[in-house]
Amino acid sequence: GENVEQHPSTLSVQEGDSAVIKCTYSDSASNYFPWYKQELGKGPQLIIDIRSNVGEKKDQRIAVTLNKTAKHFSLHITETQPEDSAVYFCAATPYSTLTFGKGTMLLVSP
Amino acid sequence: NAGVTQTPKFRVLKTGQSMTLLCAQDMNHEYMYWYRQDPGMGLRLIHYSVGEGTTAKGEVPDGYNVSRLKKQNFLLGLESAAPSQTSVYFCASSYPRTGRNTIYFGEGSWLTVV
Repeated sequence: GENVEQHPSTLSVQEGDSAVIKCTYSDSASNYFPWYKQELGKGPQLIIDIRSNVGEKKDQRIAVTLNKTAKHFSLHITETQPEDSAVYFCAATPYSTLTFGKGTMLLVSP
Repeated sequence: NAGVTQTPKFRVLKTGQSMTLLCAQDMNHEYMYWYRQDPGMGLRLIHYSVGEGTTAKGEVPDGYNVSRLKKQNFLLGLESAAPSQTSVYFCASSYPRTGRNTIYFGEGSWLTVV
């Protein structure tokens, strides 16, 4: 089955800096790569996703890049704000069930 | 529009007791899932269902059973709870489309087994 590795496990940045979280996957059949944000005491929520026929996607301050050849994808957050502090999960799937990375705790200091 | 609703939100069980976690979704989604979340382990799939009357095992199914008697409900049962099942449980649902499967999560159920 699919295996997703996520790094780093924790990331501390100053407000206004950029943050990058990286994931690798093992199943070459995976074609959908979402990113979820989980705030304390809440369920994960989708923030951005990318399909395998796209190399990059951007939504305001967040962007995701995909390198299918190397089997890795990354989340980029620019101009970080304290409200970006949360746990971020990457995931991959060939179709129905998502396999998640272990998560990255992002801390943004004012 | 409630989305995905889980009950109960918090529960303490004694080892060996049984219980059922209830999940309901009002988005007419075909697929439903139960995940557990443990520190440093991410989200691991327990069981899932691709439609009413169907169930399938995920990554960590042992010690759990599920049922999907109605499209909008997905029940997770623990027949004989063990301390290793102390976790946060998330129900989720989705409507997969070609090349995309956005999963919507509930708020979580905190279970402690003592």
